[in-house]
Amino acid sequence: EIVLTQSPGTLSLSPGERATLSCRASQSVSSSYLAWYQQKPGQAPRLLIYGSSSRATGIPDRFSGSGSGTDFTLTISRLEPEDFAVFYCQHYGTSPPTFGGGTKVEI
Amino acid sequence: QVQLQQWGAGLLKPSETLSLTCAVYGVSFSGYSWSWIRQPPGKGLEWIGEVNHSGSTNYNVSLKSRVTISVDTSKNQFSLKLSSVTAADTALYYCARSRSGSYLFAHWGQGTLVTVSS
Repeated sequence: EIVLTQSPGTLSLSPGERATLSCRASQSVSSSYLAWYQQKPGQAPRLLIYGSSSRATGIPDRFSGSGSGTDFTLTISRLEPEDFAVFYCQHYGTSPPTFGGGTKVEI
Repeated sequence: QVQLQQWGAGLLKPSETLSLTCAVYGVSFSGYSWSWIRQPPGKGLEWIGEVNHSGSTNYNVSLKSRVTISVDTSKNQFSLKLSSVTAADTALYYCARSRSGSYLFAHWGQGTLVTVSS
């Protein structure tokens, strides 16, 4: 199975700052089947990005994804107060789908 | 609007069988796969397995010997059973939907916390 390693584990930033989250795969992720989710306390994960760089329905354009092969990045251009949460990357092209360990973005 | 609503027992003793059900509203079962995903307290997400509308299943090998996922299309529901639970199975369990052949989860249930304790 594909192992996804996210870094950093925690990112301490202020509203208005830029956040850059990394996800590295143990082998190439085919056709960029890489997604990002946001999870707030007490809530289910919410799909943000799929296909490495496409935003899901209703996701603001301050969220962007990039990357291919084994290295992927989620960027939040200007953090809003509601963006502070845990973010997970996931590969979804083959079974079993796996998730990274998460990056917590905190104030 | 797609909604997934789940329920099941929240407190189990070691060796018992976990049983959860997820009801689907606003969409047909056909053309989609229906998965269970779990999250131990303070940890990351683990995919457990999936079922489609015809009842075909696919399980994570790490849990395969203990997992059964089934579907009841007449009720628009699917279910998870996990046998011989231990404290390591304590987690928040989610049901989720993806398109057939994909594991992209755009729709999730609200989650059910299952605690295994003697």
